[in-house]
Amino acid sequence: AQSVSQHNHHVILSEAASLELGCNYSYGGTVNLFWYVQYPGQHLQLLLKYFSGDPLVKGIKGFEAEFIKSKFSFNLRKPSVQWSDTAEYFCAVNGDFGNEKLTFGTGTRLTIIP
Amino acid sequence: DGGITQSPKYLFRKEGQNVTLSCEQNLNHDAMYWYRQDPGQGLRLIYYSQIVNDFQKGDIAEGYSVSREKKESFPLTVTSAQKNPTAFYLCARPLGGTGSSYEQYFGPGTRLTVT
Repeated sequence: AQSVSQHNHHVILSEAASLELGCNYSYGGTVNLFWYVQYPGQHLQLLLKYFSGDPLVKGIKGFEAEFIKSKFSFNLRKPSVQWSDTAEYFCAVNGDFGNEKLTFGTGTRLTIIP
Repeated sequence: DGGITQSPKYLFRKEGQNVTLSCEQNLNHDAMYWYRQDPGQGLRLIYYSQIVNDFQKGDIAEGYSVSREKKESFPLTVTSAQKNPTAFYLCARPLGGTGSSYEQYFGPGTRLTVT
């Protein structure tokens, strides 16, 4: 069975600070990895994804994530956060080919102070 | 709306009543998914369906039931057997056709409160 761990439950940063949110997964085979974001009052939406190839993937709004296979990690980063990045961030993994079933982490609530 | 709609946005029920949440998609996708979101617990898969007239239990199916009589509709019933029904319920579809993409697109959700 696949599982995902997000160790940061609530992160508070000032604007312009750098961000790194941790995500570790547990699955023995090949995985697809995702970061989703949920802004206050909005739909859950895809931030970025990793399927294969370059382990450093770039997403929307200046976010990026690095897949480190040896560490089973897919940490999310942004060099300089903005107040509008205040949201909840979810890491997810799909390791069962043939369907799109996702396993999510518990989420990290990010609060940016102006 | 990304081709997937959920209604209503807010739903209130008394304990002991069954309640059905609607999820509709107009993009002719085979697969549809139901998740439950609770604070501090992320999203957990309740049921999913990959084709009409077929569905599988997810990780937390107890106390829930679904049907998939039409491709465009995947209603979720929260039964009185569900011990903690108050939650935010999200329906999802694949971003592309089945097998071509492992991304999911989520509907706006239904917030169910049971008192």
